[in-house]
Amino acid sequence: DAKTTQPNSMESNEEEPVHLPCNHSTISGTDYIHWYRQLPSQGPEYVIHGLTSNVNNRMASLAIAEDRKSSTLILHRATLRDAAVYYCTPWGGAQKLVFGQGTRLTINP
Amino acid sequence: NAGVTQTPKFQVLKTGQSMTLQCAQDMNHNSMYWYRQDPGMGLRLIYYSASEGTTDKGEVPNGYNVSRLNKREFSLRLESAAPSQTSVYFCASNQGRGAYFGPGTRLTVT
Repeated sequence: DAKTTQPNSMESNEEEPVHLPCNHSTISGTDYIHWYRQLPSQGPEYVIHGLTSNVNNRMASLAIAEDRKSSTLILHRATLRDAAVYYCTPWGGAQKLVFGQGTRLTINP
Repeated sequence: NAGVTQTPKFQVLKTGQSMTLQCAQDMNHNSMYWYRQDPGMGLRLIYYSASEGTTDKGEVPNGYNVSRLNKREFSLRLESAAPSQTSVYFCASNQGRGAYFGPGTRLTVT
């Protein structure tokens, strides 16, 4: 399994951009990089995923390093509702989907 | 679509009792998973099923069994519950474009 490294916690202010980093240096060539978040007292929810190119959706953007050994989840304008634990995880298809400890994001009003 | 549903939402067991947690998804996904999450901790994979008819151990399979009854349903059984199995249990399904999680079952073993 590819191992991921994320900061334990990060803090940002409301309406400012947030860049959440993830290192996945042992990722295999066919693994997609998935990001999930878990709001307080809820189950995790899918945020975004990508393979090589940067990706955008209504929730966030994903910037993937050229060597694919790291990625950054970008929240363009953080709101209080974005306070959550964010997980990155490589996943390549019919294999187990495992999570690290994630980054606990705090948003200050 | 209901997505991923789990029953029950809450359960209290005495040590040694058995129970089955039910999970169903209506998205026609091949892969399904069971996780546990202890207070303040991350998600740990118990078992997963890459497709109907197959199951594999995850990170913490001891004390649990699973059944992939059909493509929709994936159940988790505790044969003899222990206090160390007190946790929130999440089921998920995945077809490659992102996993969907159920609301969780909060299990307390006394």
